[in-house]
Amino acid sequence: ELKVEQNPLFLSMQEGKNYTIYCNYSTTSDRLYWYRQDPGKSLESLFVLLSNGAVKQEGRLMASLDTKARLSTLHITAAVHDLSATYFCAVDNPSGGGADGLTFGKGTHLIIQP
Amino acid sequence: DGGITQSPKYLFRKEGQNVTLSCEQNLNHDAMYWYRQDPGQGLRLIYYSQIVNDFQKGDIAEGYSVSREKKESFPLTVTSAQKNPTAFYLCASRNLDSYEQYFGPGTRLTVT
Repeated sequence: ELKVEQNPLFLSMQEGKNYTIYCNYSTTSDRLYWYRQDPGKSLESLFVLLSNGAVKQEGRLMASLDTKARLSTLHITAAVHDLSATYFCAVDNPSGGGADGLTFGKGTHLIIQP
Repeated sequence: DGGITQSPKYLFRKEGQNVTLSCEQNLNHDAMYWYRQDPGQGLRLIYYSQIVNDFQKGDIAEGYSVSREKKESFPLTVTSAQKNPTAFYLCASRNLDSYEQYFGPGTRLTVT
């Protein structure tokens, strides 16, 4: 059974600081997804990481993937209040070539305080 | 506008009633998915379909049923057999030759 673990699950940080969210998963997968969810809303796609060593950046967010360690990180640089949200990582289910749906972590609830 | 629509946004039902949640997409995507989200939790896969007239159970299919009679539509029925149906339900779709899954706005179901 595929398991996806995120840590921390809750993070309160100050504006201007840097921090990293970690996502570990239990079986081989070459694809990892990061999503953002605002309260009461649906999921917004942030990054799709497709291979070992993939790194993607958008604004103050940078995501990376190490498939050998089964680890992805989401790094936040110089945090601003607008980045307050819940962040989920997800992994393709191993069977079916990736079309069988995603397994999600429990999410990291991020609060950025002025 | 291309996208995924879910209706209704909020749904209230009495225990013991079946209820059907709508999901429609005009992205011409092959695959469609239903997920359930409970407070403070990640999403869990209920059912998915990669092609019309075919669908597969996900991790938590008990108490749910689906149909896929048209490529653009994938309704989910929450039956009275589902023990804890109150949750946020999200529909998603993707093309089979790409990787990104797109999510609809969700339906919040409350059963009392």
